[in-house]
Amino acid sequence: AQSVTQPDIHITVSEGASLELRCNYSYGATPYLFWYVQSPGQGLQLLLKYFSGDTLVQGIKGFEAEFKRSQSSFNLRKPSVHWSDAAEYFCAVAGSYNQGGKLIFGQGTELSVKP
Amino acid sequence: EAGVAQSPRYKIIEKRQSVAFWCNPISGHATLYWYQQILGQGPKLLIQFQNNGVVDDSQLPKDRFSAERLKGVDSTLKIQPAKLEDSAVYLCASSLQDRGTDTQYFGPGTRLTVL
Repeated sequence: AQSVTQPDIHITVSEGASLELRCNYSYGATPYLFWYVQSPGQGLQLLLKYFSGDTLVQGIKGFEAEFKRSQSSFNLRKPSVHWSDAAEYFCAVAGSYNQGGKLIFGQGTELSVKP
Repeated sequence: EAGVAQSPRYKIIEKRQSVAFWCNPISGHATLYWYQQILGQGPKLLIQFQNNGVVDDSQLPKDRFSAERLKGVDSTLKIQPAKLEDSAVYLCASSLQDRGTDTQYFGPGTRLTVL
């Protein structure tokens, strides 16, 4: 069965510091991988997605993620965090092209940013 | 382009009462999803529609939850009777089709509190 693990429930970084949020997935074939961000009282906004090709994907707001098949990981990174990045981040996996599009989410990582 | 609309944004009810949520997807999107997000967890799919047909309702508690999408556009999710453990945010999402590569766009959610 597909699953997603985000090992860090809560992370605090200083403004201007670099950020890496971890995501590990379990899926038998090549998955479709996503990172979403959720600000308080808001719905989820897509940051980036990986389907195939270049394993380093660029997203919105200066985020990037790297797909590593050997480690079953899809970690999210940002070189310099801004206070407005404080939010909850969710990694998600979808099945292959014809498996209905259902997203399986991790439990989320809450990011706090220190001034 | 208008996003996914949901109402109400907040609802407080007593246990054993009934409640209904409404979702209007992005125009032209054939696929509509309802997710349940319990505090501290990632969203979990309840039901997926393709046009007005159900694709996946395997995780919908059918003894108390029901959903419909009569004309393949708007959708309603109902809970009757509500239990304490139904307290959660109910997120509606839509996508162009149900392929794993189709981006899901989320509404702001309805926060339900069951007392």
